[in-house]
Amino acid sequence: DSGVTQTPKHLITATGQRVTLRCSPRSGDLSVYWYQQSLDQGLQFLIQYYNGEERAKGNILERFSAQQFPDLHSELNLSSLELGDSALYFCASSVAVGRLHTQYFGPGTRLTVL
Amino acid sequence: DAKTTQPNSMESNEEEPVHLPCNHSTISGTDYIHWYRQLPSQGPEYVIHGLTSNVNNRMASLAIAEDRKSSTLILHRATLRDAAVYYCILRDNFNKFYFGSGTKLNVKP
Repeated sequence: DSGVTQTPKHLITATGQRVTLRCSPRSGDLSVYWYQQSLDQGLQFLIQYYNGEERAKGNILERFSAQQFPDLHSELNLSSLELGDSALYFCASSVAVGRLHTQYFGPGTRLTVL
Repeated sequence: DAKTTQPNSMESNEEEPVHLPCNHSTISGTDYIHWYRQLPSQGPEYVIHGLTSNVNNRMASLAIAEDRKSSTLILHRATLRDAAVYYCILRDNFNKFYFGSGTKLNVKP
């Protein structure tokens, strides 16, 4: 158990809909990262927040957005969903930013878009 | 973006050592080398990281070439629970974390 929690575990929805994925980082961790893992693309970095501020952006679509709240939990919002958005979405946390710090991953949310 | 190259798959016998190679010829002087693994149906899990010197921890050892253009993750005695995809990652200070395709390790009993 990494200490990172993600809800829900599974989500099934239809094309065109909007969903919100939630992540609670490990106690004391200020940085949160979101990743998407699909069969054809592997693990893709989406976005990183540190203490409420966006710090780095990866391959995140404009239909996707995220935020980190004052209590440090984070939400990833996915809108106008398409079949290709079906994937595992992982959240990770680390104590701080920088190349030295280990990321601890949650168990993931499996999103299925029908 | 810093990139790594790993074999797609490797096979090992249980209780034997495993050497997982990684090439990172474009590494810069301040990039850290991180290794993560992903067990089936789980999120990635930290294994080890290093900068220049070889590193040991309870899970594995990391051997870094003198020119830092390659590294090797060493599992001293593979167990069935070590079957996973192993990712070698270069970590720079821009906070982006690129996993690449990794090496799928199969451990035979």
